[in-house]
Amino acid sequence: EAGVAQSPRYKIIEKRQSVAFWCNPISGHATLYWYQQILGQGPKLLIQFQNNGVVDDSQLPKDRFSAERLKGVDSTLKIQPAKLEDSAVYLCASSLTPSSGRAQEQFFGPGTRLTVL
Amino acid sequence: GENVEQHPSTLSVQEGDSAVIKCTYSDSASNYFPWYKQELGKGPQLIIDIRSNVGEKKDQRIAVTLNKTAKHFSLHITETQPEDSAVYFCAASKEGGTSYGKLTFGQGTILTVHP
Repeated sequence: EAGVAQSPRYKIIEKRQSVAFWCNPISGHATLYWYQQILGQGPKLLIQFQNNGVVDDSQLPKDRFSAERLKGVDSTLKIQPAKLEDSAVYLCASSLTPSSGRAQEQFFGPGTRLTVL
Repeated sequence: GENVEQHPSTLSVQEGDSAVIKCTYSDSASNYFPWYKQELGKGPQLIIDIRSNVGEKKDQRIAVTLNKTAKHFSLHITETQPEDSAVYFCAASKEGGTSYGKLTFGQGTILTVHP
């Protein structure tokens, strides 16, 4: 079974530029997550989708970050304009829909390492 | 919101020794506690999880214990091998409702197993 795919794997940009990341979840996974992982820290949830609807975006800096999941499959995360503090690895994860209220295993992609200069 | 503290930040052991990583959480409503292993250049991978209705769970060389009263849980790895070297993260979440998938991660523990 193919895993979660992400691209690009690496991106270097200047501050105030824009950048976009792409994620293709595991086939059949209705729930998709974007995490930000700053060096030396654990992943922090930015946004969670259930199919193409947003379940939780409480930690997404909405003045500069946006995300969409058209057709309930692939997703893109955009940063515009980027700041130095946005340098991090951006992880995409997917899972099956929780069953009877029980959490399902989240499968992570390899991430996109963003460097903002 | 939930806050998860993880210790130690680094752990170095000899092959064959045991390794223990501890986490505490702040929200008494949290009831699902997964552990993830992250190797260099890869995303985290689930290795074991425990729910609040269970005090201990084992899977071969890995075990997790949970103390709900004290709000802490621990990962135990026995007979460590060099391939266990990685960064380990604990996490906590609340099952049910709309927050079922929201994981709050600890800061991570870099485990190094020396041959």
